[in-house]
Amino acid sequence: EIVLTQSPGTLSLSPGERATLSCRASQSVSSSYLAWYQQKPGQAPRLLIYDASTRATGIPDRFSGSGSGTDFTLTISRLEPEDFAVYYCQQYGTSPLYTFGQGTKLEIK
Amino acid sequence: EVHLVESGGGLVKPGGSLRLSCAASGFTFSNAWMNWVRQAPGKGLEWVGRIESKTNGGTTDHAAPVKGRFTIARDDSKNTLYLQMNSLKTEDTAVYYCTTQSGYALDYWGQGALVTVSS
Repeated sequence: EIVLTQSPGTLSLSPGERATLSCRASQSVSSSYLAWYQQKPGQAPRLLIYDASTRATGIPDRFSGSGSGTDFTLTISRLEPEDFAVYYCQQYGTSPLYTFGQGTKLEIK
Repeated sequence: EVHLVESGGGLVKPGGSLRLSCAASGFTFSNAWMNWVRQAPGKGLEWVGRIESKTNGGTTDHAAPVKGRFTIARDDSKNTLYLQMNSLKTEDTAVYYCTTQSGYALDYWGQGALVTVSS
């Protein structure tokens, strides 16, 4: 089973700043299999990025994904107040089919 | 617009059973591969299982912690996904989300149904 480790656990930034979130896999992951989600308190997760770097429908272009192999990054170029949330990376595998990182909480500084 | 609405959650005693439903609209449900994902209180996301479309054979796959206890099913005539949960344990307490699958990502999510397993 591939394990995804996200860092940092908590990221404290101010609106307008740039956020860089990391997701490291215990084994190489196909870029096609890597996605990112945003979850706000009391809400369901929302798909942000799939195929490691493709924005989902309706996702603003301040969100971008990059990486390959075992190291992937979600970047938010200029934080808006609504971006403060928990972010999860996810990979598609065999057993289990989906695994998630433990999440990075992005909080207002 | 895609809409997924879970129902059937509630409080159940350890060893009990519960069936969740997920009513789908806004897309061709019969063609969709559907998943269940859960989230224990204050914890991260955990994949529970998937059912492929019937045209792909309707194959199901379940995560190891629920295999043999949980069963995913679908009724395409009702545009509804089900999760039958038997022999429930306290560690099954979570919000359960149904999701659609697009490629290798989970693109639409319901609002979730809370299942609490407690004596």
